[in-house]
Amino acid sequence: AQSVAQPEDQVKVAEGNPLTVKCTYSVSGNPYLFWYVQYPNRGLQFLLKYITGDNLVKGSYGFEAEFNKSQTSFHLKKPSALVSDSALYFCAVRTYYGNNRLAFGKGNQVVVIP
Amino acid sequence: DAGVIQSPRHEVTEMGQEVTLRCKPISGHNSLFWYRQTMMRGLELLIYFNNNVPIDDSGMPEDRFSAKMPNASFSTLKIQPSEPRDSAVYFCASTIAGSANTIYFGEGSWLTVV
Repeated sequence: AQSVAQPEDQVKVAEGNPLTVKCTYSVSGNPYLFWYVQYPNRGLQFLLKYITGDNLVKGSYGFEAEFNKSQTSFHLKKPSALVSDSALYFCAVRTYYGNNRLAFGKGNQVVVIP
Repeated sequence: DAGVIQSPRHEVTEMGQEVTLRCKPISGHNSLFWYRQTMMRGLELLIYFNNNVPIDDSGMPEDRFSAKMPNASFSTLKIQPSEPRDSAVYFCASTIAGSANTIYFGEGSWLTVV
């Protein structure tokens, strides 16, 4: 079965500092990996995805993520965090054989301190 | 472009009452998902449809929950009778079938059962 782990409950970072949100996955076969962001009282918004090709994927709002097959990781990064980046971030994985299911991690609360 | 549209956005109801949540997927999308989000359990997939047919309803909690998709542009999630433990945010999401395709979420229906 496919699964995702987001090991940290909360990530705190000062505004202007680099932000990293960690994600590791477990699948049979090649993974399709996604990051979503959820602002308070809102739905999940798609940030970026890795399907194939370049391991570094760029997405919305200045975010990027690096696919590392050997470490089965897909960490989300932003070079300089903004207070407005404070939100809940979800990593998710699907596979070709995953019957269309998207398996989510538990989410990471990101707090950017002014 | 209109995204996934859900109604109602907020509902407060008394225990034992019937609750119906509605969803209009993005036009052209042929897969639809219902998720539930709670603090304790995170995001749970309740059921998903491909081409209006329920494919996997293993996440539906119990017989009190039912979902229908009578046509490509409308789906309902019904809880009858409702219980306080059903209080959660219910998200509808849609995509074009295919594991590499992005799933897009609605803004959610915030349900409180008192």
